[in-house]
Amino acid sequence: AQSVTQPDIHITVSEGASLELRCNYSYGATPYLFWYVQSPGQGLQLLLKYFSGDTLVQGIKGFEAEFKRSQSSFNLRKPSVHWSDAAEYFCAVGAQGNKLVFGAGTILRVKS
Amino acid sequence: EAQVTQNPRYLITVTGKKLTVTCSQNMNHEYMSWYRQDPGLGLRQIYYSMNVEVTDKGDVPEGYKVSRKEKRNFPLILESPSPNQTSLYFCASRDRLAADSYEQYFGPGTRLTVT
Repeated sequence: AQSVTQPDIHITVSEGASLELRCNYSYGATPYLFWYVQSPGQGLQLLLKYFSGDTLVQGIKGFEAEFKRSQSSFNLRKPSVHWSDAAEYFCAVGAQGNKLVFGAGTILRVKS
Repeated sequence: EAQVTQNPRYLITVTGKKLTVTCSQNMNHEYMSWYRQDPGLGLRQIYYSMNVEVTDKGDVPEGYKVSRKEKRNFPLILESPSPNQTSLYFCASRDRLAADSYEQYFGPGTRLTVT
């Protein structure tokens, strides 16, 4: 069965520092991969997605993610974090049954 | 504006009192689904619908019902809510016919507390 692992439950970074959130997936075929962000008390916003082609994907708010098939990873990066990036981030993979399988989420805290 | 709406946004109820959470989308999407979000578990699919009158169970369907009588609406029904159904619920939709796309559009969420 498809699964997504986000190894880090919480991450704290200083404002202006770089960020990398890890995501590993389990899926037999070419995966459809997503990163969503959920700000406190808000719904889910799509940051970026990967279906095929270039393995480095650009998203909104200055985020990017790199698909590495050999490592079954789809890590999210941002070169310089802003305080407004504090939120919970979810990695997801499109799976059989027309659903998204989500990771448990990573809560990002930003220190000023 | 293309959107998925849910009502109510917040609901506190008591064990056993039937409730319905409505979901509506204005994008003419065939596919709709319900997820619940719990701390440390991410989002898990409850039910989904491929089109009108076509519904199927997701990963955690116990204690829930759905119906799809109109394309735009996909209500979630809790016939006899229990405290373990206290959660944050999201409705989502997507264009099933879009090429190579699992991208789903999410509603704002409904926070349900069952006491």
